[in-house]
Amino acid sequence: GDSVTQTEGQVALSEEDFLTIHCNYSASGYPALFWYVQYPGEGPQFLFRASRDKEKGSSRGFEATYNKETTSFHLQKASVQESDSAVYYCALGGTNAYKVIFGKGTHLHVLP
Amino acid sequence: GALVYQYPRRTICKSGTSMRMECQAVGFQATSVAWYRQSPQKTFELIALSTVNSAIKYEQNFTQEKFPISHPNLSFSSMTVLNAYLEDRGLYLCGARTPGLGYEQYFGPGTRLTVL
Repeated sequence: GDSVTQTEGQVALSEEDFLTIHCNYSASGYPALFWYVQYPGEGPQFLFRASRDKEKGSSRGFEATYNKETTSFHLQKASVQESDSAVYYCALGGTNAYKVIFGKGTHLHVLP
Repeated sequence: GALVYQYPRRTICKSGTSMRMECQAVGFQATSVAWYRQSPQKTFELIALSTVNSAIKYEQNFTQEKFPISHPNLSFSSMTVLNAYLEDRGLYLCGARTPGLGYEQYFGPGTRLTVL
């Protein structure tokens, strides 16, 4: 079945560091790919999506490019801030387009 | 913008009792609503998916008898946890989707269930 893999469970950075959180997916066809961010005590917030190969999604300084060849959708940000500390989830819209499948999440800690 | 409200935000119930939680979409029509449970050990467990004009589809390990869901209109859904036990603890999330906003789901803040 469809799946999403996030290899990093935790990432610790200092402010202004460059961020990469890896996301790989397994699915047939061209699933829609998403990034969500979840702050403590809140539900996950939609960051952005990409729906086709080489499409770049972006929001709030975060970006990711849909890569069908490597089946990846890695999240990047050029300069992180302490306020970016949160859990980030990569997700895909499954072959059943109504179903969204989430990765296990990556906890980002940004130190001042 | 697309907003999703959930009520209550937190609830405590005694083991063996039931509790109902609600999900309200504001600013858009939720043609599908997905209910998830998020626990510290696991990521999002999809409980069921409710789509307009289709039967509610429950995932493996979740049943209508335990988690009955109502989706009476395009802005409201409710789910009840019947006969709750310790393993039902967690954050219950409602994710609502509409085609006009893409394939993503918009989530409410969740209902945190504690079972004593």
